[in-house]
Amino acid sequence: EAQVTQNPRYLITVTGKKLTVTCSQNMNHEYMSWYRQDPGLGLRQIYYSMNVEVTDKGDVPEGYKVSRKEKRNFPLILESPSPNQTSLYFCASTPPLEAGYTFGSGTRLTVV
Amino acid sequence: QQPVQSPQAVILREGEDAVINCSSSKALYSVHWYRQKHGEAPVFLMILLKGGEQKGHEKISASFNEKKQQSSLYLTASQLSYSGTYFCGTERTGANNLFFGTGTRLTVIP
Repeated sequence: EAQVTQNPRYLITVTGKKLTVTCSQNMNHEYMSWYRQDPGLGLRQIYYSMNVEVTDKGDVPEGYKVSRKEKRNFPLILESPSPNQTSLYFCASTPPLEAGYTFGSGTRLTVV
Repeated sequence: QQPVQSPQAVILREGEDAVINCSSSKALYSVHWYRQKHGEAPVFLMILLKGGEQKGHEKISASFNEKKQQSSLYLTASQLSYSGTYFCGTERTGANNLFFGTGTRLTVIP
């Protein structure tokens, strides 16, 4: 089944403790992206990647890092999480042009 | 770079129609529409490319006016299953990098 897999689905952590949210897709898509979703703010882009080793900042990249060492994987790294990063995170992938995004199931992160 | 969606929320009775609008201040290459049900991921509905085309998907269709940088989503004869939050995503360069609006919450009641 074609899908984007995110892990974990839920995570509660403490301020400052490094964490990684994994994202993997099995559709051989070049493009992958991370979004955070907050009430009233919609989906805001954190980082995106056009292909392996090619990443760029979205609208809200502060406090996040990404890497794209393999085509299928695009992990989101929070080096020192803070409470304002409490949010619902979605990973998405798509072929290069004129195609819809496939989203992962989401990761609900709470930083206390 | 977020597009502006309106209305923010709408309540319909089954069988009624609705229009959701999406506008951008920048020239657009394409517009996407997605629906997200509570607790789930957004699901792709359709993509519209510049050229003013209109697309349809069951009783849900959309138009794209590239000169006005606007798109509208039309839901006709609404069903309970149409309830959810609808997002438009706009793309400017053809590289498929989307910026999403803040969403329109649609509730269909019996």
